[in-house]
Formats: sequence, C-alpha cells, structure tokens
Amino acid sequence: DGGITQSPKYLFRKEGQNVTLSCEQNLNHDAMYWYRQDPGQGLRLIYYSQIVNDFQKGDIAEGYSVSREKKESFPLTVTSAQKNPTAFYLCASSTREATYEQYFGPGTRLTVT
Amino acid sequence: GQQVMQIPQYQHVQEGEDFTTYCNSSTTLSNIQWYKQRPGGHPVFLIQLVKSGEVKKQKRLTFQFGEAKKNSSLHITATQTTDVGTYFCAGYTGANSKLTFGKGITLSVRP
Repeated sequence: DGGITQSPKYLFRKEGQNVTLSCEQNLNHDAMYWYRQDPGQGLRLIYYSQIVNDFQKGDIAEGYSVSREKKESFPLTVTSAQKNPTAFYLCASSTREATYEQYFGPGTRLTVT
Repeated sequence: GQQVMQIPQYQHVQEGEDFTTYCNSSTTLSNIQWYKQRPGGHPVFLIQLVKSGEVKKQKRLTFQFGEAKKNSSLHITATQTTDVGTYFCAGYTGANSKLTFGKGITLSVRP
C-alpha cells in the first residue's frame, strides 16, 4: 500500500529539547517537503528536497534542520532555537517537479511546554 | 515574494446552497492546484489547472483558471455536509520548484 507515513501522530516535548519528526514514503518520489500548519496561517514551507543529499530552505527554515540520506526518508529536527515550535507538521512528496500533485502524510502534532 | 491570497478565511452556508471561493496571485502562475483538508485530516489533492481560462469539473465542483493565469475559482453546486473542510489553492511559478499555498478557506455547511 503506497503512501507517506509520519510518526508519531502526537509528540510532547519540554522546552529546550531538540526533537526529530519522521517522514517515510514508498511512492518512489524524488521530491519531499516539510510544512508547518498553524491556525489561520495555511501551509508554510520549512524545507524541501528534490534529490537525495540535497535540500533547500523554505520560507520559515530558522530553528529547523533536515537530512536526506535516503530517497524514502526526510526527517525534520525541530531545534531548541525554534521560538514557537508547537504546531501541526506535515510532510509531503511529489515527483521531482512541483508541477505535479503533492501527497501529504497524516501529520505530527507537536506540543512543546 | 510570491503571494497567493484567499479571502475570506471562513464561510458558512446552508446545505443545498451554492458556494464560490477565489484565489488570487500576485504573480502569473504556471499552474494552480487545489487541495481539500477535512477536519483533523491532511490536505488531499483535488485538481490542477494549467491553461489560461481552463475549466475542470469534478461532480459538483467546478474549478477555473483565470485568463491572465493570476486567479482561480472553486464553485460547489448544492453543498452537502461532506463538503466541509478547508480548501487551499497553491500556485507554482516555475521559478524555484516550490508551491506557494494560500491560507485556505474553511467551509462549514449547516444541515
């Protein structure tokens, strides 16, 4: 069954801790994306990667880091430098060109207190 | 930078009424995509429009791309409670291979 998985669905952390969100896809897509969703803010792009071992900053990359060591995986680390980390995080993938539809994972809701 | 705007952010309709929402870009788009996110869910791709003036239909949903490729509309005929959710438009300029999403419009339908 092809798709994108994100784990965990809910994540709780204390302020000052780094946390890594998992994203795996078996769609054989080259491109992967991380978005942050806050109420009333739509989807804001954090990082994206079009090919293994390469990634670019999106619109709100500060306080986040990513890696793309495998085609199937694109983990996102929320560092302690991110001032407002509590949010709903969505991972997506697509064929290499963004002109094609993006497939989204179920999301991870991160709460930092 | 490129901006994609959707106004208003919320709309409430009575079941059976028609609904239309618009999406406007500050720059000319190569294509525009529409996504739907159900409450508690994740965005799901609905449609992509590429050509100037293009119109596509999916059952009760009609999507249109403006002649200047800077705006788009979504029209739902005879809304149903299954139409509730947030509808996002997303534009691609081709400049740097990333979509720019609007803030979305959340539709509620009174039964």
